[in-house]
Amino acid sequence: EVVLTQSPGTLSLSPGERVSFSCRASERVSSNYLAWYQQRAGQPPRLLIYGASHRAPGIPDRFSGSGSGTDFTLTLSRLEPEDSAVYYCHQYGTSLYTFGQGTKLEIK
Amino acid sequence: VLLVQSGAEVRKPGESLRLSCQTSGYAFTTHWITWVRQGPGKALEFVARIDPSDSYTDINPSFQGRVNISVDKADNTVYLKWTTVKASDSAMYYCARLGMAAYRHSGLDVWGLGTRVTVS
Repeated sequence: EVVLTQSPGTLSLSPGERVSFSCRASERVSSNYLAWYQQRAGQPPRLLIYGASHRAPGIPDRFSGSGSGTDFTLTLSRLEPEDSAVYYCHQYGTSLYTFGQGTKLEIK
Repeated sequence: VLLVQSGAEVRKPGESLRLSCQTSGYAFTTHWITWVRQGPGKALEFVARIDPSDSYTDINPSFQGRVNISVDKADNTVYLKWTTVKASDSAMYYCARLGMAAYRHSGLDVWGLGTRVTVS
């Protein structure tokens, strides 16, 4: 099983700031099949990034993904109040999908 | 593209349970469907996935023996069945489609709204 460890656990930032979230895998993620999701309270997750660095359709360019192998990063620039959510990484390169434990972002 | 899930369920421990996820707006057999669950205040957890083109399945070993996933091509629906549920299975269950872009998988791109399961 590929274990994904996200950091930090929680963040509180102001509108307009920039933030990066980390996702580290216990082994290489096959084909860089690494995705990022945003989950607002009471809603299902929403796909932001797939293949480590490709933005999903309709996702603003404030969201960007990078990394390969075992280390991946999601960056949000120019934070807005609606960015308050939990962000999850997910590897889908093996038949046993796994998710990180999530990073909670609060916009003050 | 829509994934419409069945309504909330309440079960007692030891009972069986079947959830459904009806898809529309795309060719049913071209995309894998995955079930993911989320306990109260918890992270996302993979349950099972199926390729509707040939019904090939992968099930999380943590649930092997208690979970079955199947499709009905006649109405583009995916089912998740639990043979026996426990209190720890109480969660929101989501079905989600595995996307395709340039012949490569592209994450879980469409999600249902979820089915709340309570086991008590």
